[in-house]
Amino acid sequence: EAQVTQNPRYLITVTGKKLTVTCSQNMNHEYMSWYRQDPGLGLRQIYYSMNVEVTDKGDVPEGYKVSRKEKRNFPLILESPSPNQTSLYFCASSLQGVGVGTEAFFGQGTRLTVV
Amino acid sequence: AQSVSQHNHHVILSEAASLELGCNYSYGGTVNLFWYVQYPGQHLQLLLKYFSGDPLVKGIKGFEAEFIKSKFSFNLRKPSVQWSDTAEYFCAVTPGGGYQKVTFGTGTKLQVIP
Repeated sequence: EAQVTQNPRYLITVTGKKLTVTCSQNMNHEYMSWYRQDPGLGLRQIYYSMNVEVTDKGDVPEGYKVSRKEKRNFPLILESPSPNQTSLYFCASSLQGVGVGTEAFFGQGTRLTVV
Repeated sequence: AQSVSQHNHHVILSEAASLELGCNYSYGGTVNLFWYVQYPGQHLQLLLKYFSGDPLVKGIKGFEAEFIKSKFSFNLRKPSVQWSDTAEYFCAVTPGGGYQKVTFGTGTKLQVIP
């Protein structure tokens, strides 16, 4: 089954404790991205990757890091989480980037709370 | 840079009523347009998309959207809503041409009353 898998689904952590949210897709998609969803603000893109070892900032990259060492994986790293990073996070993947005729497939989401 | 506006933040309808959700975008060139739906507690799923050709696009579950270039709009419609359509709806835009950043609107919460 084609899917994007995020882990964990729920996470409560303390300020400053490094964490990683994993994202994996099994569709051989080149393009992957991370979004955060906050009430009244919709989805905002954090980082995206056009292929292995190619990443770029989205609209709200501050406080986040990503890596793309393998095509299927695109982890999101919070080196020193702060309470304003409490949010619902989604990973998405698509073929060659959404602008060429394919839609994004989203993971189930990770609800992160930083206390 | 592109932007997307969804003016209706919360819409409440009775079953069988007709639906129209507004979406306006701002971008000077060609665009690709999407509507996604997010059912309670779930991830986003594609409803429909427009890239070129017929500006009236039909999607899943009886939804359709019309691209009006002169108005920079891509409104979502459904003739008769059902309780199961209760969800949040997001319009999204990306410049045409591949490898482009997607911009989402702030979303419209639709509540359908039985």
